[in-house]
Amino acid sequence: DQQVKQNSPSLSVQEGRISILNCDYTNSMFDYFLWYKKYPAEGPTFLISISSIKDKNEDGRFTVFLNKSAKHLSLHIVPSQPGDSAVYFCAASARLLDSNYQLIWGAGTKLIIKP
Amino acid sequence: DAGVTQSPTHLIKTRGQHVTLRCSPISGHKSVSWYQQVLGQGPQFIFQYYEKEERGRGNFPDRFSARQFPNYSSELNVNALLLGDSALYLCASSLTGNYGYTFGSGTRLTVV
Repeated sequence: DQQVKQNSPSLSVQEGRISILNCDYTNSMFDYFLWYKKYPAEGPTFLISISSIKDKNEDGRFTVFLNKSAKHLSLHIVPSQPGDSAVYFCAASARLLDSNYQLIWGAGTKLIIKP
Repeated sequence: DAGVTQSPTHLIKTRGQHVTLRCSPISGHKSVSWYQQVLGQGPQFIFQYYEKEERGRGNFPDRFSARQFPNYSSELNVNALLLGDSALYLCASSLTGNYGYTFGSGTRLTVV
């Protein structure tokens, strides 16, 4: 059973436009969400996170939105740049339950920025 | 400063063999986590160690074991390798284990 789902395996966006990556989760105990970016032959790199007590967190070109009632979060990248082409992973954790802060990951979305 | 280093980068093993993967965390980080990423899927949690003690274990068989040394480096051991163990094995370090993870580039294990 996939507790974190990224239903779009890939997404193609024109340079300069907005990229929106989506993530759904099923476990209502998740209280912390993270987005990671991964280039080929490299490990995942942390991008941005959000606690369940918030509905929005912004860091430069990256904004994460959380809709708890819908169990949905999204990552917005504005404006999209060629260097943003990578695989993006959504991850979640239930900090109150898991003393090991285990991350549950989605399968990833490959973002392609077209020049 | 060196990031998280993993060795080897690539490895080919035969079914039934044993493998040891190594991870050196960022200097000052006391926690190491191991994840397995099968092609087309997200990483799956295997273990977390903090201050040389196992803090958590994912849903993996007993063929998988790990340890953390006094210098906070870590080894992941897999016995009786199966074809399904072929994956990218990622190590992540953090100061205390509660996020702020930095990942290494991983070890690509192929079991034939």
